[in-house]
Amino acid sequence: AQSVSQHNHHVILSEAASLELGCNYSYGGTVNLFWYVQYPGQHLQLLLKYFSGDPLVKGIKGFEAEFIKSKFSFNLRKPSVQWSDTAEYFCAVNAETGANNLFFGTGTRLTVIP
Amino acid sequence: EADIYQTPRYLVIGTGKKITLECSQTMGHDKMYWYQQDPGMELHLIHYSYGVNSTEKGDLSSESTVSRIRTEHFPLTLESARPSHTSQYLCASSLDRGHSEQFFGPGTRLTVL
Repeated sequence: AQSVSQHNHHVILSEAASLELGCNYSYGGTVNLFWYVQYPGQHLQLLLKYFSGDPLVKGIKGFEAEFIKSKFSFNLRKPSVQWSDTAEYFCAVNAETGANNLFFGTGTRLTVIP
Repeated sequence: EADIYQTPRYLVIGTGKKITLECSQTMGHDKMYWYQQDPGMELHLIHYSYGVNSTEKGDLSSESTVSRIRTEHFPLTLESARPSHTSQYLCASSLDRGHSEQFFGPGTRLTVL
């Protein structure tokens, strides 16, 4: 079975600081990778996803993530965070075979201080 | 507008009561899911469905049951609620393709006293 590790549980940054949130997964086969975000009081929504092609993917609101297959990683980055990025961020993975169900990490809470 | 709906948003109930959490989607998706989420923990899949009359158990064992009589509707039922069922329940839907995005509802926060 797949599993996902997010090592940062709570990150606190000042506005304009750069962000990198770690995500590692365990699965030997072909995977699809996702970052979801949950803003306070809102639904979980997709930030970006990778399933093939260029390992550097760009998502909404200036976020990007890089898939490094050799490291089983899919870290999320943003060069300059804003107060409105305060949210909980979840990394998720599914395998290309089987039921295609998502496995989620425990999430990282990001607090951006104005 | 295409969306996914969950009711109620909050529910406080006594032990032993039967409850049904509602989930409906107007996305036209075949696949639907129920997740359980506790604070600081990952979302755990408890049920999913490929379409009408299809229900499957997820990775986390749950005493709840689900049904899928209509494509757009995927209710979750607890026959006898217990304090251990206190949690947030999230419903989601997607196309049945591996890289398809899952769309989530707002969740139901259940407290069993």
